[in-house]
Amino acid sequence: EVQLVQAGAEVKKPGESLKISCKGSGYSFSAYWIGWVRQMPGKGLEWMGIIYPGDSDTRYSPSFQGQVSISVDKSISTAYLQWSSLKASDTAMYYCARSVSSGWSGFDYWGQGTLVTVSS
Amino acid sequence: QSALTQPRSVSGSPGQSVTISCTGTSSDVGGYNYVSWYQQHPGKAPKLMIYDVSKRPSGVPDRFSGSKSGNTASLTISGLQTEDEADYYCCSYAGSYTLGVFGGGTKLTVL
Repeated sequence: EVQLVQAGAEVKKPGESLKISCKGSGYSFSAYWIGWVRQMPGKGLEWMGIIYPGDSDTRYSPSFQGQVSISVDKSISTAYLQWSSLKASDTAMYYCARSVSSGWSGFDYWGQGTLVTVSS
Repeated sequence: QSALTQPRSVSGSPGQSVTISCTGTSSDVGGYNYVSWYQQHPGKAPKLMIYDVSKRPSGVPDRFSGSKSGNTASLTISGLQTEDEADYYCCSYAGSYTLGVFGGGTKLTVL
């Protein structure tokens, strides 16, 4: 069974750093792109970026370029989303998701989400 | 403002059909056959309902269908059921710079 399991909720202060994880299982982790999607409280979905675990090829949506960093450790089938200096506006639910085949067709399996709260 | 435009809400009665539209441009919806649709119930992760414009993943009922004409994609749900009440989001590939874009979401109410 394909599963993406995300780390638990995080509460941080503005200016702090954070790295959240997404562990895949039940499939060949290196062979499928993994994407990250943001959902701010009460709002819609936003496409952040995507990484191919096989060679760590990483692409960022222009809105998130320079704001976050996406990485992967394929030896432990885990993708990461990282911030160096959090802002209150980073408060949101963050989902990782596996891409269907080519990378652009859609996301067929989703993690349960990690709620990040940034507050002083 | 979302890159793709969806109606904020649609409604229908059990057994009826509804169609949710998703309007983009020739740089996203109209330029690629990479439109996907997601269903999201409150407090839950999104679920893929349609990919590559009209393909259904295994396990998704054939009551759900997708299509595209020009710069507008559509999700049609026939034989509405109460459990279909949820938010629905479209998504499209938008080229090697913008990558992916979502619509603003549509709340489906089953009356």
